[in-house]
Amino acid sequence: GQQVMQIPQYQHVQEGEDFTTYCNSSTTLSNIQWYKQRPGGHPVFLIQLVKSGEVKKQKRLTFQFGEAKKNSSLHITATQTTDVGTYFCAGARAAGNKLTFGGGTRVLVKP
Amino acid sequence: DTAVSQTPKYLVTQMGNDKSIKCEQNLGHDTMYWYKQDSKKFLKIMFSYNNKELIINETVPNRFSPKSPDKAHLNLHINSLELGDSAVYFCASSRGLAGVSNEQFFGPGTRLTVL
Repeated sequence: GQQVMQIPQYQHVQEGEDFTTYCNSSTTLSNIQWYKQRPGGHPVFLIQLVKSGEVKKQKRLTFQFGEAKKNSSLHITATQTTDVGTYFCAGARAAGNKLTFGGGTRVLVKP
Repeated sequence: DTAVSQTPKYLVTQMGNDKSIKCEQNLGHDTMYWYKQDSKKFLKIMFSYNNKELIINETVPNRFSPKSPDKAHLNLHINSLELGDSAVYFCASSRGLAGVSNEQFFGPGTRLTVL
């Protein structure tokens, strides 16, 4: 079955530094979504990528969809304590198909 | 004003009991989901309903039975609870089917602890 893997599993970041988390699918995706879950909270939608090679920005967050539509990345610049949480990517293969979530990257920020 | 709500928020029960979790969304969405998040934070789809019709049924023990009385509600009944059922269960909804570029809105979760 479809697998979505994320690395790293944990990311300890000094406040103010940049980091990137990566998402890889075993199959080609129709779209990929990113969610953020704060400690004790629920996943909240961040963004969706649909086109091959697409790049989208949300303030300090940059999301990219690979050319082959099998991988994606999330880059955060100038990390802040508010960035703490688990970031999940989730991919779907086709219309009507389920979203398969990656294992998440847990981000801890050192002030 | 809560978009997706779940009850109860916490559920502590003994092994072998039967329990239900309820979910309601006021977003007018057609599709609803149940996810299970284990202690390692893995989020796994369990069921999905579209317009009250079951469209995704992952390899979940048949002790778990979802029910959608209408488009705005999706309940989950669990029979003969086991220790391994302890997890956080999230309900979610989306405007259309997953894979058709529809973001999912998650409820606050129900933390189930089986003793």
